[in-house]
Amino acid sequence: EAGVVQSPRYKIIEKKQPVAFWCNPISGHNTLYWYLQNLGQGPELLIRYENEEAVDDSQLPKDRFSAERLKGVDSTLKIQPAELGDSAVYLCASSHVTGAWQPQHFGDGTRLSIL
Amino acid sequence: AQSVTQLGSHVSVSEGALVLLRCNYSSSVPPYLFWYVQYPNQGLQLLLKYTTGATLVKGINGFEAEFKKSETSFHLTKPSAHMSDAAEYVCAVSYFGNEKLTFGTGTRLTIIP
Repeated sequence: EAGVVQSPRYKIIEKKQPVAFWCNPISGHNTLYWYLQNLGQGPELLIRYENEEAVDDSQLPKDRFSAERLKGVDSTLKIQPAELGDSAVYLCASSHVTGAWQPQHFGDGTRLSIL
Repeated sequence: AQSVTQLGSHVSVSEGALVLLRCNYSSSVPPYLFWYVQYPNQGLQLLLKYTTGATLVKGINGFEAEFKKSETSFHLTKPSAHMSDAAEYVCAVSYFGNEKLTFGTGTRLTIIP
């Protein structure tokens, strides 16, 4: 089966500019996650979707970050405006259904660099 | 709060030697435990998982891990290291009713020829 697809792989922008990331989960996976991974750290959850509903966005900085998952398939994560501290890798993951025992399958991530 | 500790941010072993990567978790309830491998510029790939049942879990690429409740540990091992095993290894934990996956900070494995 095809894995989780993310684009772009790399993005370089100047601070205060907007940026968007796209994620296509594994076909049939209802649950989608966005993570932030700083250098030398494990991923940290930003938002979790069950189908098209955001069920956990408690760690999403809503003043500048937004996300959507229209039709419960693809998802986009947006930052506006970007700040220097947003430089990181943004990972998308999906799982078949929601459940703590369900393994999450990750995309290759988008590496964001803010100048 | 759930947490994961990975002892040793960097581990080096000789090719053919035993690989042992340590992971300890904090919990008062039964955990679900995962090991992921991350190659440079790639996402995390699931190596193995423990949910219920047999405490010795076998994964891909010859890796295995043993859940030891008394030690709150889930160490990852491989009998004989191969050059292709060089990567970042990340341990993660979750619990029934809490879908949040908490990750350790990772261990970078280097294989010495």
